[in-house]
Amino acid sequence: SQQGEEDPQALSIQEGENATMNCSYKTSINNLQWYRQNSGRGLVHLILIRSNEREKHSGRLRVTLDTSKKSSSLLITASRAADTASYFCATALQGGSEKLVFGKGTKLTVNP
Amino acid sequence: DVKVTQSSRYLVKRTGEKVFLECVQDMDHENMFWYRQDPGLGLRLIYFSYDVKMKEKGDIPEGYSVSREKKERFSLILESASTNQTSMYLCASSLTRRGYTFGSGTRLTVV
Repeated sequence: SQQGEEDPQALSIQEGENATMNCSYKTSINNLQWYRQNSGRGLVHLILIRSNEREKHSGRLRVTLDTSKKSSSLLITASRAADTASYFCATALQGGSEKLVFGKGTKLTVNP
Repeated sequence: DVKVTQSSRYLVKRTGEKVFLECVQDMDHENMFWYRQDPGLGLRLIYFSYDVKMKEKGDIPEGYSVSREKKERFSLILESASTNQTSMYLCASSLTRRGYTFGSGTRLTVV
């Protein structure tokens, strides 16, 4: 079964609006990461948040992590058409190796 | 910036052929990974390597093998290609406890 599950599966918003995507996971983690994938291409690393961190910012991105609820959220503020992509959360399991377990992604569409 | 290069963007092979997918990274990362991505199934780990000549099975290693003779190169081998191995193959590399850098992917079709 998937370690990380994104919600919603698909999201459609207008340019300028904020987009929020959520990720839930099952077991204890070392860190949680978010990636973006444009159609048919490789994934691009966006942000990494460690298990002892609660919030992290990078430009228009804000990630929160709640280890008690085993959940994370990715907020993209003032979205642009170029943000249209699939977004994946990935977890590095605590005590585990370097491998990441990916969720199935949220497909974000930003309409101009 | 770290670059991960996958040798082919698109590949068409026949059932039963031996297929080599090559991945090269240029920034001295110790960890390298092969995933496949299928609609509805997300990314699934096939194999990974944390050092030269070291490899570990991921979640779906059956029908695949890997080779890492040099630190910068991680090859995925389909011993006898089958139609259910038609997929997007993604290679990635990383430093320990850091984010991955992915290649652009190889879309393999087995006919």
